[in-house]
Amino acid sequence: AQTVTQSQPEMSVQEAETVTLSCTYDTSENNYYLFWYKQPPSRQMILVIRQEAYKQQNATENRFSVNFQKAAKSFSLKISDSQLGDTAMYFCACLTTSGTYKYIFGTGTRLKVLA
Amino acid sequence: DVKVTQSSRYLVKRTGEKVFLECVQDMDHENMFWYRQDPGLGLRLIYFSYDVKMKEKGDIPEGYSVSREKKERFSLILESASTNQTSMYLCASRSDREFPSYGYTFGSGTRLTVV
Repeated sequence: AQTVTQSQPEMSVQEAETVTLSCTYDTSENNYYLFWYKQPPSRQMILVIRQEAYKQQNATENRFSVNFQKAAKSFSLKISDSQLGDTAMYFCACLTTSGTYKYIFGTGTRLKVLA
Repeated sequence: DVKVTQSSRYLVKRTGEKVFLECVQDMDHENMFWYRQDPGLGLRLIYFSYDVKMKEKGDIPEGYSVSREKKERFSLILESASTNQTSMYLCASRSDREFPSYGYTFGSGTRLTVV
């Protein structure tokens, strides 16, 4: 069975600093995608970044980047130059491209950016 | 620019009531999903639908049913609400054409309290 583990329930970071959110996953599939979603307080969840497992190069989206370690089944999210608007719940998710294409979500990390 | 709309942001219902949660998307997506979000448990899939009038059970379907009579609308039904169904409910949709690159589009959620 697929599992996604986020071991940090809560984190905080000072504005303008860098923070890394951890995620590990377990799947027996060869083809899969990994995602980070952001859920701001009282707002809808949005996709932050995605990584195709077959690509070795780490994905980057502006201040957000990932460290994808396939052998270790690790998929961490790095937020550079943290901003107050980054305060949110962050969910890591794994999707295998077989069967019914269901996401497996982690339990989330609540990030607070401090002024 | 809201693309997945959940009809209520907050709901308070009494134990034993029949509850309808409505979700509408305007992106012509084939697939729609209902998740339940609880602290420490992440997102858990209740039901999903890959076509009009089609439905599939997710991981926690007990106590719920769904209806999809039109492509754009996916309803979650609590046949007899119980206090353990107090939770945040998230609707999501996705396109077969764009998936998996673009992930899911989520609604803003409905926070249901059963008293």
